[in-house]
Amino acid sequence: NAGVMQNPRHLVRRRGQEARLRCSPMKGHSHVYWYRQLPEEGLKFMVYLQKENIIDESGMPKERFSAEFPKEGPSILRIQQVVRGDSAAYFCASSGSQSSWGETQYFGPGTRLLVL
Amino acid sequence: AQRVTQPEKLLSVFKGAPVELKCNYSYSGSPELFWYVQYSRQRLQLLLRHISRESIKGFTADLNKGETSFHLKKPFAQEEDSAMYYCALSGRGGSNYKLTFGKGTLLTVNP
Repeated sequence: NAGVMQNPRHLVRRRGQEARLRCSPMKGHSHVYWYRQLPEEGLKFMVYLQKENIIDESGMPKERFSAEFPKEGPSILRIQQVVRGDSAAYFCASSGSQSSWGETQYFGPGTRLLVL
Repeated sequence: AQRVTQPEKLLSVFKGAPVELKCNYSYSGSPELFWYVQYSRQRLQLLLRHISRESIKGFTADLNKGETSFHLKKPFAQEEDSAMYYCALSGRGGSNYKLTFGKGTLLTVNP
């Protein structure tokens, strides 16, 4: 089991461009979580998705950010019209069921986004 | 609101010395507490969680509800313990999947 996969590992964008970050959960996992880590900060929850459903997007900025987890394929975090403040590490985690006291979230290696 | 505070950004000890990484939390109910570790060039991984009461790689952590702390301890540090350590919290109830992380402590164990 290769674990949670994220690509690209590093992404450079100019202001105003779009960034697409991909996350493939661990085999057999259908719950995906996205976190953002700004420089010198801890990871902050952004969104929780199941296949074809957004369960909780309370941590997502209201504009320019969106996430999906289609029936087939990886989960995508999309950032439109990026700004310098979007530069951060974006981590994806997955679990086999809703992460609770019995389920562990397994993290991917992260995508480092740099906006020039 | 839930909050996790790790007061030390950097911690340096010598091999064989005891180590304690501090974590304090703020939460209105009964939280679940975790320690995650990130070794150099590796992904974030769960080290231990308070409900399992396990000792992993010689590390232990006790939840002190009176002091709202969950400090990570190891009696004899090893060089391979050098890593970034994050304390994290989740609440009970419907949104217990949301992990709140501290800013992390970079532990360096010197030979």
